[in-house]
Amino acid sequence: ETGVTQTPRHLVMGMTNKKSLKCEQHLGHNAMYWYKQSAKKPLELMFVYSLEERVENNSVPSRFSPECPNSSHLFLHLHTLQPEDSALYLCASSQDAYNEQFFGPGTRLTVL
Amino acid sequence: DQQVKQNSPSLSVQEGRISILNCDYTNSMFDYFLWYKKYPAEGPTFLISISSIKDKNEDGRFTVFLNKSAKHLSLHIVPSQPGDSAVYFCAAVGSSNTGKLIFGQGTTLQVKP
Repeated sequence: ETGVTQTPRHLVMGMTNKKSLKCEQHLGHNAMYWYKQSAKKPLELMFVYSLEERVENNSVPSRFSPECPNSSHLFLHLHTLQPEDSALYLCASSQDAYNEQFFGPGTRLTVL
Repeated sequence: DQQVKQNSPSLSVQEGRISILNCDYTNSMFDYFLWYKKYPAEGPTFLISISSIKDKNEDGRFTVFLNKSAKHLSLHIVPSQPGDSAVYFCAAVGSSNTGKLIFGQGTTLQVKP
């Protein structure tokens, strides 16, 4: 499979659940990103990883915890989320942290 | 304070005509600008970009114009096709803000057959 893939595509969870979102890129890129898109709002950058090191943490609450075990995989661990965290979570990758970013299809998250 | 703004939430044009999508920014440190296109249930797809050293970049039916003095960029699609119907996001980044793309709110383009 090519490009940027994300699993699951849809996720419904309760506020006490723990879940993880997975992103995988098959493009040989060195930088990966998590974005949040809420209804009628611009895409919001959450985290940036470059060469597996976190280089940006955009004031994201600690109930979101990213993990980048290697340059091809990125996870977003979720715990004790709030209903207002319901949104589309998009993963992206780029050759370096200043090139065009290629996005995955997103995970539609609903927190009950 | 929103640094990248797309003031038109939607635009409707006839097939074959020109579509013009606009974007304004406030941060003079931005030096690279991108347009993304997004279909429902898919992630954004990179379309075209422009560096601040240029004022125009063309790729097939898509042309991006940059007016640095006005802090304004626009995307022209000629001729528009029904398959162009999507949400278009402009984004900006400064070379000192590694990887930090700032996105506009998006403009929904509808191209009518």
